[in-house]
Amino acid sequence: GAGVSQSPRYKVAKRGQDVALRCDPISGHVSLFWYQQALGQGPEFLTYFQNEAQLDKSGLPSDRFFAERPEGSVSTLKIQRTQQEDSAVYLCASSARAGGLSINEQFFGPGTRLTVL
Amino acid sequence: DQQVKQNSPSLSVQEGRISILNCDYTNSMFDYFLWYKKYPAEGPTFLISISSIKDKNEDGRFTVFLNKSAKHLSLHIVPSQPGDSAVYFCAASSTGGGNKLTFGTGTQLKVEL
Repeated sequence: GAGVSQSPRYKVAKRGQDVALRCDPISGHVSLFWYQQALGQGPEFLTYFQNEAQLDKSGLPSDRFFAERPEGSVSTLKIQRTQQEDSAVYLCASSARAGGLSINEQFFGPGTRLTVL
Repeated sequence: DQQVKQNSPSLSVQEGRISILNCDYTNSMFDYFLWYKKYPAEGPTFLISISSIKDKNEDGRFTVFLNKSAKHLSLHIVPSQPGDSAVYFCAASSTGGGNKLTFGTGTQLKVEL
């Protein structure tokens, strides 16, 4: 595909359930980012990968959040024991070059809307 | 602590007129600024960016102005078109910060016929 894809697009979970959100970045993109967007807010940074290495996870709100990118392409964001405050849109973005070397455009996927009941 | 602020949650402009969207930031380490446009149920789409070494960048109908001393930037859209109706996010980054973006809360632009 030409752009960043995310699945599922919508997820409803019961409180306490574990969820896994998938991101397929643009082929060949080195950097991958996860953001969380609460209703009426801007996206907030969660974590950053350069290839398979997770270089920054400072935005993950708790140890219930875990992200991986084992082969440097597809990434999964996992949320354990979901809580109502986890309800948000989770956005994935990729960019062609490595962070810190030069600023370059991030391409965003459509997001996964997570609703925790 | 909101490091990037968009104080106008909404803006309404007539077709053909200029739209001006404003953004303020507090972190002096930010040295790269971007504007994203977002339609409902879609991810943000990159519009235009500016480095802190410049004070203006223009791309077609879109121009971004940066005032470093005031820590303020603005996006001008001329002429505004109905298809420009969307939420506009201002974002900032620092070259030493791994390119992670810090976003404002967005401004809903409505371009009326």
